[in-house]
Order: sequence, then C-alpha cells, then structure tokens
Amino acid sequence: DGGITQSPKYLFRKEGQNVTLSCEQNLNHDAMYWYRQDPGQGLRLIYYSQIVNDFQKGDIAEGYSVSREKKESFPLTVTSAQKNPTAFYLCASSSRSGSYTDTQYFGPGTRLTVL
Amino acid sequence: AQSVSQHNHHVILSEAASLELGCNYSYGGTVNLFWYVQYPGQHLQLLLKYFSGDPLVKGIKGFEAEFIKSKFSFNLRKPSVQWSDTAEYFCAVNPQWGGGGTASKLTFGTGTRLQVTL
Repeated sequence: DGGITQSPKYLFRKEGQNVTLSCEQNLNHDAMYWYRQDPGQGLRLIYYSQIVNDFQKGDIAEGYSVSREKKESFPLTVTSAQKNPTAFYLCASSSRSGSYTDTQYFGPGTRLTVL
Repeated sequence: AQSVSQHNHHVILSEAASLELGCNYSYGGTVNLFWYVQYPGQHLQLLLKYFSGDPLVKGIKGFEAEFIKSKFSFNLRKPSVQWSDTAEYFCAVNPQWGGGGTASKLTFGTGTRLQVTL
C-alpha cells in the first residue's frame, strides 16, 4: 500500500533537546517537503528537497535541519535553536523533481510538544 | 512574495445548505491552484486542482471551484453540504516562476474550518 508515513504520531521533548521527525515514502516520488501547521496560520514550508543529497530552505527554516540521503526518506531535525517548536509537522512528496505542476501528497503528521 | 487569503475562518452550516469558501491570492503570473481538505484525525488530502484549461474544476465528493483570473480568486463551492463535510479546508497556490518553473512551492491560506450541523 503506497503512501507517506510519519513517525511517531505524538512526540514529547524537553526544552533544549534536539528531536528528529521521520518521514518515509514508497511512492517513488522525487521531491519531498516539510511543513509546519499552527492554528490559524495554515501550513508554512520549512525545507524541501527535489532530489537526493540536495535540499533548499523554505520560508521558516531557522532552527531546523534536514537530510536527504535516500530517495524514500527525508528526516527533519528540530534543534534547540527553534524558538517555538511545539506544532504539527507535515511531510509531503510529489512525483517529479518539484516541478510547479506537481501535486503534493501529505503524510499523517507528527504533533510535537516541547515541555 | 505571494500570499493566499481565506476570508472565512469558521463557517457553520446546516446540512443541505450551499457552501462557498473564498480564496484570493496575490501573484500576477501563471499559477496552479489547489484546495486541500483535512478531515478530523485524517491526512491532508487533495480535493481539487487547477492547472490550465476550463476554469471550472470539479473535484471529489461533489466539490467544485472556479478560477477567476481577473479577480485572483479560486472559490470552493458545493451545492448541498453533508455532515461528513465537516473539516478544515485549505487553499494553496503554486506560482510558475520565471524560466519554466522550479520547485513545487505551495503557499497555503490560513484555512477555513467548516462545521456542518444536522
């Protein structure tokens, strides 16, 4: 069954700790994306990757880091430098190398709470 | 930078009422337009999209949207809502940058929460 998986569904961390969110897709998509969703603010792009070993900053990249060592995987690390990390994080992918005509498909999300 | 406005933040309708959710964007060039829906506890999923051609686009579950270029709008409509349409709806825009397009960088609106009552 093809799709995008994100784990875990809920994640709790203490302030000052780095935390890595997992995103895996078996859709054979080239491009992958990370968004942050906050109430009343919609989705905002954190990072995106059009191809393995390459990624670009989105609109709110500060305090986050990513890697793209495999086509299927695009983990997001929320570092201690992120001032307000508590949020719902969504991973997405699209079939071609991030062409503007692509349609993005989303995973179920990870809700991160920093205590 | 482009922006997307969804003017209705929270809409409450009775079953069988007609729905229209507004979406306006600020970008002067060619755009692709999307409506996504997030049902309670479920993935964000694509409702419909517009790339080119007929500006009236039909999507899943009886939804449709009309692209009016002169008004920079892409409003979502449904003639008769059901209780199961209760969800949050997001409009998103992907502009075609110069040079034939680069990444699929969606800009989302802030969302409209639709509550359908029985």
